[in-house]
Amino acid sequence: NAGVTQTPKFQVLKTGQSMTLQCAQDMNHNSMYWYRQDPGMGLRLIYYSASEGTTDKGEVPNGYNVSRLNKREFSLRLESAAPSQTSVYFCASSEVVVIGGANYGYTFGSGTRLTVV
Amino acid sequence: QKEVEQNSGPLSVPEGAIASLNCTYSDRGSQSFFWYRQYSGKSPELIMSIYSNGDKEDGRFTAQLNKASQYVSLLIRDSQPSDSATYLCAVNKISGNQFYFGTGTSLTVIP
Repeated sequence: NAGVTQTPKFQVLKTGQSMTLQCAQDMNHNSMYWYRQDPGMGLRLIYYSASEGTTDKGEVPNGYNVSRLNKREFSLRLESAAPSQTSVYFCASSEVVVIGGANYGYTFGSGTRLTVV
Repeated sequence: QKEVEQNSGPLSVPEGAIASLNCTYSDRGSQSFFWYRQYSGKSPELIMSIYSNGDKEDGRFTAQLNKASQYVSLLIRDSQPSDSATYLCAVNKISGNQFYFGTGTSLTVIP
């Protein structure tokens, strides 16, 4: 059982380049998320997808786009990378009980360490 | 005001002692509360969840929730050097299914 798989694990981009971070989960979770983690800032939500076919902005969406390709996959795209996007990116998934709104907690991927020079 | 606040530490305790980690949250309507452990260079790992007032015990870990005071805590009994990590508090607001995370408390257990 792989859980949540993120690729790549490391990436160096030049300013202005684009790239897509891939995420796939095999736990049949309905909700998926992209976070970035920066020193002193904690984990901040970029985008999330409550269910297949829906996406919503989180706390820091500027400069990013997402695609919920199917129930398993949720990708994050940087169209024109900037040094401020240097960070560690985590994908996560969770099972959410819609009635009552209970959330059973995230399972995180191993992270992507991105450096923009 | 931040959604979730934690004392960043560092917190140091001797091996075998009780480590106490604290977290406050701003939205009184929050309904789900979680503690994650994150080792340096690794991803966060869920260790405890709590949904109602009171204590919840799992092995050496006890989560405590006081909704009236908007306060969540994590107690680690018989602390071990392997418990040395950053502990993240996360809160799920009633209006959505995304979590808000604190910045984490760094714990060091001294052998």
